[in-house]
Amino acid sequence: NAGVTQTPKFRVLKTGQSMTLLCAQDMNHEYMYWYRQDPGMGLRLIHYSVGEGTTAKGEVPDGYNVSRLKKQNFLLGLESAAPSQTSVYFCASSYELGLAGAQTDTQYFGPGTRLTVL
Amino acid sequence: AQSVSQHNHHVILSEAASLELGCNYSYGGTVNLFWYVQYPGQHLQLLLKYFSGDPLVKGIKGFEAEFIKSKFSFNLRKPSVQWSDTAEYFCAVNGPYSGGYQKVTFGIGTKLQVIP
Repeated sequence: NAGVTQTPKFRVLKTGQSMTLLCAQDMNHEYMYWYRQDPGMGLRLIHYSVGEGTTAKGEVPDGYNVSRLKKQNFLLGLESAAPSQTSVYFCASSYELGLAGAQTDTQYFGPGTRLTVL
Repeated sequence: AQSVSQHNHHVILSEAASLELGCNYSYGGTVNLFWYVQYPGQHLQLLLKYFSGDPLVKGIKGFEAEFIKSKFSFNLRKPSVQWSDTAEYFCAVNGPYSGGYQKVTFGIGTKLQVIP
């Protein structure tokens, strides 16, 4: 199993350009997440999905859009990149335990995408 | 809203020293607790987790953590660190539920530097 993969690994954009980050998982996980990691701020949740066809906003959703058309893929889009979006982006996925209240288990992370917006 | 506090942002230890990293959370209901580790240049991976049962949890590479419900704490410990433990450590808490989803909150992270 490849686990969680992300493409691309690195990208440099100019302000105003758009791009899409792709996350794929082969573990049949229901839940998928996009985080950004910035120095001194830890991991912040951008958007998440609790199943195919569903998405929801996290802590810092502004400037980003997501789609989950297939269970194994979770796309993160930047419509008009800004320098404030320079960051390392991590995708993760997890099981939903299926117990009462739908507990989320261990998150499996991808290798990250380092994005620089000039 | 849930908050997770990691008190030490940067810790420097010599090899063989003992380690304790603090983690406190705010939500008073049922929670699941995790410690993740991020080695330099790598992605986050699970170190250990607590869902229920024995509040002393053992993880990989000799790490353990103790859940103290009354103190809302889940501190990470290792009796003797090695240079290879140099990494960033994140505490994470699942809970509460919102919209059928158990919200996940990460702490800010603690950078551990072990000096040979």
